[in-house]
Amino acid sequence: LAKTTQPISMDSYEGQEVNITCSHNNIATNDYITWYQQFPSQGPRFIIQGYKTKVTNEVASLFIPADRKSSTLSLPRVSLSDTAVYYCLVGDIDNFNKFYFGSGTKLNVKP
Amino acid sequence: GAVVSQHPSWVICKSGTSVKIECRSLDFQATTMFWYRQFPKQSLMLMATSNEGSKATYEQGVEKDKFLINHASLTLSTLTVTSAHPEDSSFYICSATRGGITGELFFGEGSRLTVL
Repeated sequence: LAKTTQPISMDSYEGQEVNITCSHNNIATNDYITWYQQFPSQGPRFIIQGYKTKVTNEVASLFIPADRKSSTLSLPRVSLSDTAVYYCLVGDIDNFNKFYFGSGTKLNVKP
Repeated sequence: GAVVSQHPSWVICKSGTSVKIECRSLDFQATTMFWYRQFPKQSLMLMATSNEGSKATYEQGVEKDKFLINHASLTLSTLTVTSAHPEDSSFYICSATRGGITGELFFGEGSRLTVL
């Protein structure tokens, strides 16, 4: 199982770009990297998924270096509503029972 | 995106009673669903993997006789907390996948259980 390590918390201000890095040193060849967002008392919501290099969608970008031992979620111009816990998951998408949630990163966006 | 719905969203029960939580995939067929438990200010902990038409696979330390999981159809999985006690109070979340290349997990809204 690929264990993930993220900062426990981060602070930011509205309008700033936020980068959250996740370490996954023992990532396997078949593993994908997926990020989820969770608000209090809600289920997690999918943000972005990637295997290597860079992936971008309408809400975020995901940067993955060549060795894939880490990944960085980039949120452009955050707003107060982006205050949430962000989880990095690493696993084989054919074996979701191996998708274990780490501690996550609590992002606090201040006005 | 695909929708996974849970019911009830919150429930309060007396100690010793049983509570059933439903998880439905509304617009897709989910051969596999997952049940998680989350305590306040903690991460999600996988409890079991639920496969349609077969017995659930429980994670180490999760009592299968206490947390009964039934996956009777491709769109419905249920979690029954039997003889609930206050320490079972938690936020229970289900998820499902519809497979495919993206490998996305779709999560329900969660169900808050409070045992008095």
